[in-house]
Order: sequence, then structure tokens, then C-alpha cells
Amino acid sequence: DQQVKQNSPSLSVQEGRISILNCDYTNSMFDYFLWYKKYPAEGPTFLISISSIKDKNEDGRFTVFLNKSAKHLSLHIVPSQPGDSAVYFCAASNTGNQFYFGTGTSLTVIP
Amino acid sequence: DVKVTQSSRYLVKRTGEKVFLECVQDMDHENMFWYRQDPGLGLRLIYFSYDVKMKEKGDIPEGYSVSREKKERFSLILESASTNQTSMYLCASSQLTGMDTQYFGPGTRLTVL
Repeated sequence: DQQVKQNSPSLSVQEGRISILNCDYTNSMFDYFLWYKKYPAEGPTFLISISSIKDKNEDGRFTVFLNKSAKHLSLHIVPSQPGDSAVYFCAASNTGNQFYFGTGTSLTVIP
Repeated sequence: DVKVTQSSRYLVKRTGEKVFLECVQDMDHENMFWYRQDPGLGLRLIYFSYDVKMKEKGDIPEGYSVSREKKERFSLILESASTNQTSMYLCASSQLTGMDTQYFGPGTRLTVL
């Protein structure tokens, strides 16, 4: 059973606008969350993380929001750039154990 | 810079063949992982290792085995390849479990005919 879900397989956004990627999880014991970015023919690369003691973490154009009560996290990219076009995976773990990955959202930023 | 390398980018094998996928990391990381990535299913953990000669099953270990004889090297073995093992295989490493970034290799696209 998929413990981490990304319900939107794809998203298209105009350059300069905000991209919002969503992720839902079912296991309330998860306490650490990450976003990875993956270009074709490359492995995923780490983007940003958040622990359950926070509800927001920001790194430049990237912000991750965590809503524990809703078991939901989102990644905001603003402003979006064509180089942001990639597949984005969210991942969650219960500290000390394995990560569970979502199915990915393919983001296309249109110039 | 952390570097995780995988022995092949593309591999084509026949049903029933024994297949070895090799992964090497150069950051002295304790933990190493093997995932497969399939459309609509994301990344699924096959096996991981938190120390030399130690291994743990992930979510989908059936049909696979692993070997970790040295800290920097983690091998995934398909004892008798089948067509449903056609996939992208990704190796990763991390220093800690759970609350630590995993660094991924570029992946091996395996096709089993």
C-alpha cells in the first residue's frame, strides 16, 4: 500500500509563476520529509527537507510546507524557471528507518 | 562532492540470466540502498545495508539478493532475470538512516528480453 502519494502525475506552469507540488502521507509516525528532483537519465538529487517539528522550511526559491494534522506537504517554487522542469518526488521516513517515496510529479515550466 | 556510481547506464539481458548491478560510493557512507523506479509506482526499496556484510529487505526483495563485502560497494543480484524485472535501478547512499539525505547514482536501465 502506498504510504506516500502524489496525486498529480504532471503539472504545467508558466515561467515566473508559482509551482505548487503536493504530497500526502498516511503514516502519522513519519517525522522527516524530503523533496527530490530528477532529470531524465539522472538519479534524483536532494532539494529540500523538513522535520515534523517545523511547519515551513525555505531555501531560496523553494519552500516546503508541512501540515501534520492533514498529513500533507507541499513544495512551492517561486518564481518558476524552465530549468525547474523535472520530476519531483516527495519522501517520508520515521526517524531511523527507511524512506518511502511518492510516485512523482512531472513539472513543466513553459517559457 | 558525494559521488555514487553505477557500473552500467544501460543493460540488456535475457530471461533466466544472472545479472549483477554494481554500485560504488566514495563518501565513506554507512548506508547503501537499492531501489527500482517504475512509471506510476515511484521509487520502491529492494534492499538496503547499514554496514558491511549486513543487509535488510526492503518492500520488494523477491527475486533479488545483495552483497556488501566492502563499505563502498553494494551489489544487486538478479539470480534469474525475468521480464517483470525490466526497470530503472537506482543505488543510493547515506551516512545516517531515516533523517539523512540519500545521494543517488545515475541509474541503470535494465531490459530483460
